Amino acid sequence: DVKVTQSSRYLVKRTGEKVFLECVQDMDHENMFWYRQDPGLGLRLIYFSYDVKMKEKGDIPEGYSVSREKKERFSLILESASTNQTSMYLCASSSAGTKETQYFGPGTRLLVL
Amino acid sequence: RKEVEQDPGPFNVPEGATVAFNCTYSNSASQSFFWYRQDCRKEPKLLMSVYSSGNEDGRFTAQLNRASQYISLLIRDSKLSDSATYLCVVNRPDSGNTGKLIFGQGTTLQVKP
Repeated sequence: DVKVTQSSRYLVKRTGEKVFLECVQDMDHENMFWYRQDPGLGLRLIYFSYDVKMKEKGDIPEGYSVSREKKERFSLILESASTNQTSMYLCASSSAGTKETQYFGPGTRLLVL
Repeated sequence: RKEVEQDPGPFNVPEGATVAFNCTYSNSASQSFFWYRQDCRKEPKLLMSVYSSGNEDGRFTAQLNRASQYISLLIRDSKLSDSATYLCVVNRPDSGNTGKLIFGQGTTLQVKP
């Protein structure tokens, strides 16, 4: 069975802290994605990776960075957390191709105080 | 104009009703179309792909009108378990083979007994 896991379901951090969100997939997928989901705004792409050590900015990369050192793992880093980064963060993975299903992790609900 | 637009609803319908959701997309070069389902506080999951000739999966029928850049989802004989948010999704045509997607904000369906 397909599986994408995320390191935390809920996280509370303080403004200015460095935050690491981890995502692991067990499907040998080439593509991995980080989204944030906010009410009224839907899912917005933060960063994308199509291979180990390869990354591309999405629509809202400011304030975030990513790391993909191994094919199965994609990390999202908030360099200095701010209150406007309070959100639901969703990781997804897919095979290469335009018609492939994206499989999502359960999400991390991050609250920045 | 949003790249993918949906009526957010909510749609409140009785069990057994037929309900239809519509979606429009702005880029005529998009080639792949999907409906994802997202239950409350859960991750999105693929419901069905949408093919040019239209396709059916049990009680669910998806239609695509490329000329009007319009996608629809019809649910017949609604069940309580159909209560969820339905996301209209298209591929980003400028992203090559990367499988990047654009998500609509979603239409919320509440099926009442």
